[in-house]
Amino acid sequence: EAQVTQNPRYLITVTGKKLTVTCSQNMNHEYMSWYRQDPGLGLRQIYYSMNVEVTDKGDVPEGYKVSRKEKRNFPLILESPSPNQTSLYFCASSFIDGGRNNEQFFGPGTRLTVL
Amino acid sequence: AQSVTQLGSHVSVSEGALVLLRCNYSSSVPPYLFWYVQYPNQGLQLLLKYTSAATLVKGINGFEAEFKKSETSFHLTKPSAHMSDAAEYFCAVSDQTGGFKTIFGAGTRLFVKA
Repeated sequence: EAQVTQNPRYLITVTGKKLTVTCSQNMNHEYMSWYRQDPGLGLRQIYYSMNVEVTDKGDVPEGYKVSRKEKRNFPLILESPSPNQTSLYFCASSFIDGGRNNEQFFGPGTRLTVL
Repeated sequence: AQSVTQLGSHVSVSEGALVLLRCNYSSSVPPYLFWYVQYPNQGLQLLLKYTSAATLVKGINGFEAEFKKSETSFHLTKPSAHMSDAAEYFCAVSDQTGGFKTIFGAGTRLFVKA
């Protein structure tokens, strides 16, 4: 089954404790992206990757890191989480089409609470 | 630069009534336009997309949207609302000037009354 998986689905942590949220896709997509969703703000892009070893900042990258060592995986790293990073996080992937993103496939989401 | 504006953070309709969710976009080049739906406690899934073919696009669950370049709009409609349509809907735009980015609107939550 074609899908994007994220783990964990729920996480409660404390300020400053490093964490990683994993994301994996099995559709051979070039493009992968992380978003955070907050009430009234829609989805805001954190980081994206156009292919292996190619990553770039989105609109809200502060406090986050990513890596793309394999095409299928795109982990999101919070090295020192803070309460303002409490949010719902989505990973997504897509093919690239003529310089634009085509439809994105989303993971189920990770609800993160930082105390 | 790309941008997306969804008019109305909440829309309420009666079951069987017309659904109209508004989306206006800003793009300096022909865009790809998308509508996604998010059901409670789930990720987003694609409803329909416009990629420069037919201006009237039909999607899943009876939804459709019309691309109007002169109005820079891509409004989502459904002739008859069903209780199962209650969800949050996001309009999104992607174009070549956006650096392989997709910009999402703030979302419109649709309520369907019995």
